[in-house]
Amino acid sequence: DTAVSQTPKYLVTQMGNDKSIKCEQNLGHDTMYWYKQDSKKFLKIMFSYNNKELIINETVPNRFSPKSPDKAHLNLHINSLELGDSAVYFCASSQGSQEESPLHFGNGTRLTVT
Amino acid sequence: GDSVTQMEGPVTLSEEAFLTINCTYTATGYPSLFWYVQYPGEGLQLLLKATKADDKGSNKGFEATYRKETTSFHLEKGSVQVSDSAVYFCALSGSRLTFGEGTQLTVNP
Repeated sequence: DTAVSQTPKYLVTQMGNDKSIKCEQNLGHDTMYWYKQDSKKFLKIMFSYNNKELIINETVPNRFSPKSPDKAHLNLHINSLELGDSAVYFCASSQGSQEESPLHFGNGTRLTVT
Repeated sequence: GDSVTQMEGPVTLSEEAFLTINCTYTATGYPSLFWYVQYPGEGLQLLLKATKADDKGSNKGFEATYRKETTSFHLEKGSVQVSDSAVYFCALSGSRLTFGEGTQLTVNP
C-alpha cells in the first residue's frame, strides 16, 4: 500500500549515459513534483505537474525532461548524465498546490554518476 | 523573495534531553508554516504545521508555535529519543513551498 513509489532506489551509471526514474502515486493526488537533494541535504524543487500539465519548471538544465502520462505518474528522464547530477531525487505528490496541502514523498532514488 | 533560515547543524543530544531547532522566515503575506522530518533512507514526511499567527502545531511530542512578531517557528521537544534521530526541515508556503536547509539531529542513548 505504498503511497508514493519510485524506481529504481539506486542508480549507478557513467557520464554521458541517458537514464530514467519512474514515480507512481496511489493517493489520488492531482499534483506531482520532482525534487533534488544534494549531499548537504539541501532540497531544491525541479518540476511540478498538475493534472498532467507542467506548472513549475525551475532553472534546470534541459537535459532533464519530466513526463506525466497520467496524473498518477511522473517520470524523469535525464540525458547525457554529468558528475554533478549525482544526488538523491525525490518524487512527491499533493492534493492541490503545495501551499494548500502537505507533500507526500517517495523514498528517493540515489543517482551516482561515475 | 520568501526564505527560511534554520539553525546550523548537526545537533547531537543525549536521550531525554530538551530539543530546540530554530527556524525564522521572511515572507510576504501570511504563509502557512511546516516542519518536515526525514528519517535515514526515507523521503520527507510532514511532522506538524500551523496556518496562522499564534497557532501551535504538535505531533509525536514535538511542538512549534507560529510567531508573527518574531517571524519564527521554532521546533521543540521536551525529551528526545534515539528514534528521533533524523533531518528536520522547516518550510513555508508563500508563492510556492520553500524549505530551509535542514538540521541533522542525532540522539545518543
